[in-house]
Amino acid sequence: QSALTQPASVSGSPGQSITISCSGTSSDVGGYDYVSWYQQYPGKAPKLMIYDVTKRPSGASNRFSGSKSGNTASLTISGLQAEDEASYYCCSYASGSTLVFGGGTQLTVL
Amino acid sequence: EVQLVESGGGLVQPGGSLRLSCAASGFTLSSYSMNWVRQAPGKGLEWISYIGATGSTIFYADSVKGRFTISRDTAKSSLYLQMNSLRAEDTAVYYCTRDKIGYWLGPLDVWGKGTTVTVSS
Repeated sequence: QSALTQPASVSGSPGQSITISCSGTSSDVGGYDYVSWYQQYPGKAPKLMIYDVTKRPSGASNRFSGSKSGNTASLTISGLQAEDEASYYCCSYASGSTLVFGGGTQLTVL
Repeated sequence: EVQLVESGGGLVQPGGSLRLSCAASGFTLSSYSMNWVRQAPGKGLEWISYIGATGSTIFYADSVKGRFTISRDTAKSSLYLQMNSLRAEDTAVYYCTRDKIGYWLGPLDVWGKGTTVTVSS
């Protein structure tokens, strides 16, 4: 199972909105509404931010939102803050009963 | 407090074995399916194994199939990963993770802090 495709890096200024894309295939992202997103700070464990494409777990900021179109999922962060600077990983259930992650995107807040 | 604490990592020679443990607290482990996820130095996350709540359903990534074995002990509230025939490419931080209640194979709503495995001669 190949990793999902994410941009290596994105950046934005405080207060702006940014979107991180996650491209897969009909065997993963496009075939199931089971895309999740994780935030990871250096040296720390990942944290669940979005699941089931659009749902936000308790404890996750409402500035984070998710969407999907075809084989591509997206994470949008609005009202960018310095604390959002981290790595972000998408993840999808994939046929054959596996989980596949994206390569990760480093978000820089300018 | 819901918590997962991994242990058992260390330095091992290629071809060697290691057993990772994950102690769960603050919730009833038998109600949840669990996964192991790893992260090589400077790299992204990689899912490697899943075990259902009852232990009867198990899945592995192709990269570890036949070499790694996942198991759980409800009485000890623990999850395990037996790693055999280790290779240099298995060097990573290994995370114990919990599936959100009512789900399987993600989303992963609780993560341990990880334990580091280094495979080197």
